[in-house]
Amino acid sequence: GTQVEQSPPDLILQEGANSTLRCNFSDSVNNLQWFHQNPWGQLINLFYIPSGTKQNGRLSATTVATERYSLLYISSSQTTDSGVYFCAPRGSNYQLIWGAGTKLIIKP
Amino acid sequence: SQTIHQWPATLVQPVGSPLSLECTVEGTSNPNLYWYRQAAGRGLQLLFYSVGIGQISSEVPQNLSASRPQDRQFILSSKKLLLSDSGFYLCAWSKEARSAQYFGPGTRLTVL
Repeated sequence: GTQVEQSPPDLILQEGANSTLRCNFSDSVNNLQWFHQNPWGQLINLFYIPSGTKQNGRLSATTVATERYSLLYISSSQTTDSGVYFCAPRGSNYQLIWGAGTKLIIKP
Repeated sequence: SQTIHQWPATLVQPVGSPLSLECTVEGTSNPNLYWYRQAAGRGLQLLFYSVGIGQISSEVPQNLSASRPQDRQFILSSKKLLLSDSGFYLCAWSKEARSAQYFGPGTRLTVL
């Protein structure tokens, strides 16, 4: 089946820093979502992005489907950005395939 | 707008006891519904999904079952809990199979 690899696995930054999270996937996919799981466990949908670039405030995402990767950019980090970021491409049966996540800690 | 509810938020149950977790969606009709489990520090595992009332697909053979008695209600059940059933259970919905999935707040289950 399709493999999803996220990097880095852990990231510690000072408030105000910028970061780039990467998601590689092994096969062609139909679509891709980025999620943020906050410290209370709530999974928040950030982007639904099959290809191209989308922006939402300080966050933006780029998916290059032909090269099988997606990037999540976080600018001017805030402590509330802390948590785990998951990339989840959608496979041929339209089910989400989950990576192991990137754990982000933003220090004040 | 659409909202998704799960209850209870936390649950501590003894081994061998039954389980019933409920998920309801508001503000949409005929959604696709999903049950996931997340072990500590790991990604999500799809357990069940449903495209309509009474239509349940199981992704992983296990001690759990799911039912969809109403259009916007999805229930996860077990007759006898095992220690390995402990985890964080998340319900999600999407408008169609290829649409974005949105998650509920989750239920933390501890089996002792």
